[in-house]
Amino acid sequence: EDQVTQSPEALRLQEGESSSLNCSYTVSGLRGLFWYRQDPGEGPEFLFTLYSAGEEKEKERLKATLTKKESFLHITAPKPEDSATYLCAVQGFQGAQKLVFGQGTRLTINP
Amino acid sequence: DAGITQSPRYKITETGRQVTLMCHQTWSHSYMFWYRQDLGHGLRLIYYSAAADITDKGEVPDGYVVSRSKTENFPLTLESATRSQTSVYFCASSADGYYGYTFGSGTRLTVV
Repeated sequence: EDQVTQSPEALRLQEGESSSLNCSYTVSGLRGLFWYRQDPGEGPEFLFTLYSAGEEKEKERLKATLTKKESFLHITAPKPEDSATYLCAVQGFQGAQKLVFGQGTRLTINP
Repeated sequence: DAGITQSPRYKITETGRQVTLMCHQTWSHSYMFWYRQDLGHGLRLIYYSAAADITDKGEVPDGYVVSRSKTENFPLTLESATRSQTSVYFCASSADGYYGYTFGSGTRLTVV
């Protein structure tokens, strides 16, 4: 059974204080690992897809990396508008196009 | 408007009543999905559809029914609502099921 565990559950940072969010996964053949951002009262918004170990993708202050067991979402010099819940999900080759999500990390950036 | 829309945004219903949540997408995406989001459980897949008239169960299908007579619509019906079905429901679509989903804004359902 595919599983995703995200840590920490919540993270509070000061504006400009860089940090990383972790996503550990087990899957029977990884097809893709996805990062989403979710604002309160809204649906998840797609950020990145990573397909193979060693791959990295960047978007503004965010950079996602992937190993064979985990993914990190690095946030550099965050701003208050980066406050959101960040969700990680995996899709396996045997998963019939289904995404399995972690419980998310709630990130708060204080000005 | 282009995109994926869910209706209603908020719904309060009584235990035992039937309720239908609507999902409409304008991209002609083949794949559509229903997830529920609860504290402590994250997003869990209820049902999904690979094309019109093709549906399959996800992780938590009990108590729910889906249909997909048209590519653009994927309604979710709670046949006899229970308090445990109080949740936020998200619909999503994908062109081929592989390159990530686009989610709707959700329906917050409260069963009293």
